[in-house]
Amino acid sequence: DQQVKQNSPSLSVQEGRISILNCDYTNSMFDYFLWYKKYPAEGPTFLISISSIKDKNEDGRFTVFLNKSAKHLSLHIVPSQPGDSAVYFCAVLIQGAQKLVFGQGTRLTINP
Amino acid sequence: DARVTQTPRHKVTEMGQEVTMRCQPILGHNTVFWYRQTMMQGLELLAYFRNRAPLDDSGMPKDRFSAEMPDATLATLKIQPSEPRDSAVYFCASGSRAGAGVTEAFFGQGTRLTVV
Repeated sequence: DQQVKQNSPSLSVQEGRISILNCDYTNSMFDYFLWYKKYPAEGPTFLISISSIKDKNEDGRFTVFLNKSAKHLSLHIVPSQPGDSAVYFCAVLIQGAQKLVFGQGTRLTINP
Repeated sequence: DARVTQTPRHKVTEMGQEVTMRCQPILGHNTVFWYRQTMMQGLELLAYFRNRAPLDDSGMPKDRFSAEMPDATLATLKIQPSEPRDSAVYFCASGSRAGAGVTEAFFGQGTRLTVV
């Protein structure tokens, strides 16, 4: 039973354009969400997070949007750069249990 | 430079052999996670610990997998006997300082396991 779903296994975007990665979750009680980025042969690294008390969090070129009614979050990268090519994982931190659960990941490719 | 250290980085073993993967969490972190990366499941949570006590290992096949924290600086994941379907990259991650909740987790570089 997948609690966090990333339905797009891959995404290809032109350099300089906006990349939008999507994530859906199943439980409306989840209240803290994270995005991680992973390069080949490396461990995932934390990118940005958002609490359910907000609907948007911005850090430079990266913005995460949270739509609680739809149980959906998205990561926007603008402008996209070749170094952004990586696998992006969405995750939810289940606060009570202190449990971090990830989605399947989306492979983002930025084309020059 | 605080980081999570995993050993070995690569392991090739024959089916039926025991495999032990080790993880040194970041000093002071009291929550340790074990994940397995597969194509279908993404990052699959196998087990996690807080203050060395197992909180949830429901993601692990119980008959062959075991996870322990002998002390605060070492976490181990053992597979006995190993099977070809166990071939994957196994990640350890640590998070949170004592008294604080987890707000993010820091990952090691992973152990790539191949069972032939």
